[in-house]
Amino acid sequence: KNQVEQSPQSLIILEGKNCTLQCNYTVSPFSNLRWYKQDTGRGPVSLTIMTFSENTKSNGRYTATLDADTKQSSLHITASQLSDSASYICVVRRTNAGKSTFGDGTTLTVKP
Amino acid sequence: GAGVSQSPSNKVTEKGKDVELRCDPISGHTALYWYRQSLGQGLEFLIYFQGNSAPDKSGLPSDRFSAERTGGSVSTLTIQRTQQEDSAVYLCASSLVYQDYNEQFFGPGTRLTVL
Repeated sequence: KNQVEQSPQSLIILEGKNCTLQCNYTVSPFSNLRWYKQDTGRGPVSLTIMTFSENTKSNGRYTATLDADTKQSSLHITASQLSDSASYICVVRRTNAGKSTFGDGTTLTVKP
Repeated sequence: GAGVSQSPSNKVTEKGKDVELRCDPISGHTALYWYRQSLGQGLEFLIYFQGNSAPDKSGLPSDRFSAERTGGSVSTLTIQRTQQEDSAVYLCASSLVYQDYNEQFFGPGTRLTVL
């Protein structure tokens, strides 16, 4: 069982709609959690980083939340655009420069 | 350069052949990582370098896989006697140093196809 579980596996929404992607993790001890966006044929790009004490962080139309008690994070995308079509990957890192653990990603398709 | 570059972008090879994949990290980044991404799967950690040394090789799937880094910059991932299950996208990333909060910047990847 992966220590970082993402849901849903894939999602299709209409342009302009909002959506929320979920990430549950069991990685411990926790250092930080990043959300990456990976466009088709490209490498992942970091959207936001969440540390233990942070609950919410926004980056434009992207808002990430973190509940370190329940070990859950979400990525909310507002007013989706066609360019938001991509894979969104949740990555959790252990403390003391431990290895990063990657989720399998959620594939988002935004349709006109 | 402006970002992490990888070459070749695509590589098709026959089963049993050796391949070399190259990664040029962002200038000044001391940490370098190799990952493998199979179709529809998440990223799988292979190895990381801090400078020229590789403290963690635990992700290398077999002794057919090896990597080196010279001059604290360019890295080469070598796969010997390739197998069909080696087909995947191989991603390289670099970060300023190997620390908890440093962002990893990824290259575009090398798509390897073993026939």
